[in-house]
Amino acid sequence: DVKVTQSSRYLVKRTGEKVFLECVQDMDHENMFWYRQDPGLGLRLIYFSYDVKMKEKGDIPEGYSVSREKKERFSLILESASTNQTSMYLCASSLGGGGAGRQFFGPGTRLTVL
Amino acid sequence: DQQVKQNSPSLSVQEGRISILNCDYTNSMFDYFLWYKKYPAEGPTFLISISSIKDKNEDGRFTVFLNKSAKHLSLHIVPSQPGDSAVYFCAAMSGSSGSARQLTFGSGTQLTVLP
Repeated sequence: DVKVTQSSRYLVKRTGEKVFLECVQDMDHENMFWYRQDPGLGLRLIYFSYDVKMKEKGDIPEGYSVSREKKERFSLILESASTNQTSMYLCASSLGGGGAGRQFFGPGTRLTVL
Repeated sequence: DQQVKQNSPSLSVQEGRISILNCDYTNSMFDYFLWYKKYPAEGPTFLISISSIKDKNEDGRFTVFLNKSAKHLSLHIVPSQPGDSAVYFCAAMSGSSGSARQLTFGSGTQLTVLP
């Protein structure tokens, strides 16, 4: 079974802090994704990556950046955390190419920005 | 503009009865659809999918129906069990999404199955 792990389940940060969220997958997947989940809004794509060192903006990239130095690891960075970035953050991975697109998700990180 | 819509935020069903969760989409380029289930404090898990070349896909108690002309899909759960209580997300993708095959998600429906 694919395993996607996220570095923290719960995180509390202060406004203005730099925040790193880490995600690791163990199935050699080419694609990795970062979403945030908010009530009534579903999952919204922040950034994704289809290869090492490659990244593309999703629907809501403002205030975020990403890093993918190794195939198995995809990091989400909040350069200067703000209260409106309080959310559940979900990482996912999928096979490359056309594929079936099925994404495997990590357990999520509940981030609170005070 | 939401391209995938789940208009019912919540649904309650009696154990043993049928649960029907609905999803509408606006992008006619979507060619593959998935349903995910999410329990609290866990990530979404894949449930069932359907390609646009089909109108029905079945897996045990779960069946997904696709009506392309109406741009509508539905997930049927028969019989419903208390363990099915979760948030269900509909998701869609198109062949033109690029190599990473992005998913567009709906806002989710909270299903509660009452014992």
